[in-house]
This record gives sequence, structure tokens and C-alpha cells, in this order.
Amino acid sequence: NAGVMQNPRHLVRRRGQEARLRCSPMKGHSHVYWYRQLPEEGLKFMVYLQKENIIDESGMPKERFSAEFPKEGPSILRIQQVVRGDSAAYFCASSRQHNQPQHFGDGTRLSIL
Amino acid sequence: KQEVTQIPAALSVPEGENLVLNCSFTDSAIYNLQWFRQDPGKGLTSLLLIQSSQREQTSGRLNASLDKSSGRSTLYIAASQPGDSATYLCAVDPLMDSNYQLIWGAGTKLIIKP
Repeated sequence: NAGVMQNPRHLVRRRGQEARLRCSPMKGHSHVYWYRQLPEEGLKFMVYLQKENIIDESGMPKERFSAEFPKEGPSILRIQQVVRGDSAAYFCASSRQHNQPQHFGDGTRLSIL
Repeated sequence: KQEVTQIPAALSVPEGENLVLNCSFTDSAIYNLQWFRQDPGKGLTSLLLIQSSQREQTSGRLNASLDKSSGRSTLYIAASQPGDSATYLCAVDPLMDSNYQLIWGAGTKLIIKP
């Protein structure tokens, strides 16, 4: 019974490039959450999605960032025209229902050169 | 606005000691509180979840308590081992229908010295 799968584990991009982070939730989970963790800080909520719907994107920057969770396939967090400040660990979590425990992936560590 | 604080930011103790990690939150209207463990370069592992109606939860050598009225939770680790070395995070699920976020503390980095 696979847990939450994130890929890639590490991603290096140059300034101005695009970064795509993928998250496959646990089997049976239709709720996905994305978080960002800066060095030595706690996690900050970015976006909450259900299949094909963005429920809450209040934590996501208005520009350059977007997220989707299509009917088929993983959830994607997309960052366009990356800047140095986007360097962070990005974690995905999934749950069966909202307010039920969230299960986390191992994260994607994004480094911007 | 809910804020979560963890003190201390870092803690180093000899193996075998019992220890307490602290988490405080500013708004007592919570649905639940969770303690997580994060190992370097890894994701988060949920350790204990305390519902708002509960006062404590236990798992093995771990015991978490919750006092909503004072806005505090503690994670007690008994007979600490080097394998307990990790960063411990607490997160609060606010009691708001329109709020889907977990609110996180910055964590306590724990080092258990052999």
C-alpha cells in the first residue's frame, strides 16, 4: 500500500525556468494539500485541491504559481519563471476526507541556481 | 489569527533522559492538534493526533497532552534514544468551516547524544 509519492525528490532549475512538481496521493485519497518549507522554518500551506477542483489557494502566490489535480494522474504544482526565493522543500499531503489525518510525501527539494 | 509556537527551537540531551517538547497556540478553537516527526531530507511522519475533546494520546514511549484553555500541548518522550533525533513539529487544525489549512509551528530540533 504505497504512501504519498512525490517526484522528483530533487529538482535544480536556473532562474527563469519552469519547475513542475508531482504528487500522487495515497490510494483512496481524493484530497491533496501542498506545503512549502523554507530552511529552518515550519511548513506553510499553499493550496488544497480535490479532484479537478481548487478548494483553497489562499497560501499560494498570485503570480507564477499554479496547481492542478486532474481527474486522471497526479497533482501538479507548477512554478513559472523561477527565482532564487523559490528554493525550498515542497511537501504534498493527502487525506481521505478533509479534517482526517494528512499523510505526507517525502517532498521535492527545489534549488534555483 | 491562529499562531503556533514551539519552544525550544533546539534541544540536546543525553540518551536515556525523559524530555518534554512544548507547543503553544493562540486560538483555542481547534479541531485537533498533531505532532509530527521530520528526519533530515525526509517527509513528515504523524506521531500522535489529539482531537479537541481529548486531553492526551499515547503511543509507545510518546505521550502528547492537550490543554485547550491554556493553548498548550506537550510531547513527552520517555527514555530517549539516539534514534529519536529529529525535528518535531506540531500543527493545529483550526475549527473553521472555511479554513482548510494546518497551522504549523517552526519545530524543535532534538538531538539525543549516545
